[in-house]
Amino acid sequence: AQSVAQPEDQVNVAEGNPLTVKCTYSVSGNPYLFWYVQYPNRGLQFLLKYITGDNLVKGSYGFEAEFNKSQTSFHLKKPSALVSDSALYFCAVRVLGTYKYIFGTGTRLKVLA
Amino acid sequence: SAVISQKPSRDICQRGTSLTIQCQVDSQVTMMFWYRQQPGQSLTLIATANQGSEATYESGFVIDKFPISRPNLTFSTLTVSNMSPEDSSIYLCSVRRGQETQYFGPGTRLLVL
Repeated sequence: AQSVAQPEDQVNVAEGNPLTVKCTYSVSGNPYLFWYVQYPNRGLQFLLKYITGDNLVKGSYGFEAEFNKSQTSFHLKKPSALVSDSALYFCAVRVLGTYKYIFGTGTRLKVLA
Repeated sequence: SAVISQKPSRDICQRGTSLTIQCQVDSQVTMMFWYRQQPGQSLTLIATANQGSEATYESGFVIDKFPISRPNLTFSTLTVSNMSPEDSSIYLCSVRRGQETQYFGPGTRLLVL
């Protein structure tokens, strides 16, 4: 079965420090991977995606993610965290051969001033 | 990207009643998706709505409980019928645009008493 896992319910990081939010996946074939962010009382906003090409993908708000096929991971990163980055982050994978997405359980990022 | 609006943004409803949620997209799309996000949980796909055909429901969701309309290529409604407190969730409308990317509306926050 295809799945995506976010092993951390919450990540705390000091403002200005680098941040990483982890995501691993299990799919057959080449994965289509996505990161979304949900701010309080808001819908999901698209951050970035990996379809093909360079393993390092750059997205909105200074975020980037690295696709690692051998480790089946797609971790979200940012070199310097801002307090305004505090939100709920979701990793998602498209189920191959369908239009459906599977979402991870979400990781709450808290950036401390 | 896509500009998606939902109405209402939130509601408090009594057990046994029904609520219809509207989703409007800024341009025509073939498929629209409805998701549920229960408190503290990830997103679960309820159904996919294509214009001119019956919606396709995911396992665990039925048309009698969640009837969907798709009268044109920019609009859809989801009704939550005969509500119970377990239906308290955020309901999100989504469309696919560009290369495999899904975009989400702001969500409808439903509380059933």
